[in-house]
Amino acid sequence: SSELTQDPAVSVALGQTVRITCQGDSLRNYYASWYQQKPGQAPVLVVYHKNNRPSGIPDRFSGSSSGNTASLTITGAQAEDEADYYCYSRDSSGNHVFGTGTKVTVL
Amino acid sequence: EVQLVESGGGSVQPGGSLRLSCVASGFTFSTYAMHWVRQAPGKGLEYVSAISSNGVTTYYATSVKGRFTISRDNSKNTLYLQMGSLRAEDMAVYYCAREIGDYYDSSVDYWGQGTLVTVSS
Repeated sequence: SSELTQDPAVSVALGQTVRITCQGDSLRNYYASWYQQKPGQAPVLVVYHKNNRPSGIPDRFSGSSSGNTASLTITGAQAEDEADYYCYSRDSSGNHVFGTGTKVTVL
Repeated sequence: EVQLVESGGGSVQPGGSLRLSCVASGFTFSTYAMHWVRQAPGKGLEYVSAISSNGVTTYYATSVKGRFTISRDNSKNTLYLQMGSLRAEDMAVYYCAREIGDYYDSSVDYWGQGTLVTVSS
């Protein structure tokens, strides 16, 4: 089982803000990155290194971290943001691990 | 343009073996660590294995340790995953991905399209 825990599902009204969290004790020592995955597609990196976005990722995606929790915030969610989101970091033994994933529904 | 193209997936019986390949292009392959990540049908992402840029250091998830071997040929810009003693729970889409960052802050920034491994009798 994953040592990084995410809420299974969240919903957000179009244009509103949603925060997706990733909890784990190892996050006190390691940074998390965030991935968006749409059905039938490979994951896409959306936030890395605290709060950096790869080229082409809209600035409505932002990352933050506090204590044992990393967060991905979508400010002004769009219909195309509906997807599964995963955090990725290391566990307490230093092994790479994904979070359990969060399904985001845009209403 | 960075590209990662996996191949080698297919159907195999329980206990069988399979070797996946991932050909990289558009970047200096020999300077990046690489990962294999898998996703079982309807399930979340699962880290499988990683290898350092020079191939000297390898890492494995507990679920595959002793059964899978990751390797790379930097002269061919190719990453491999040799899978043995396959089980039903190994059935998944397998992705290769490029790592960026350092030990405390690593991410995977480019992914292949994935290759499907089916384990069934």
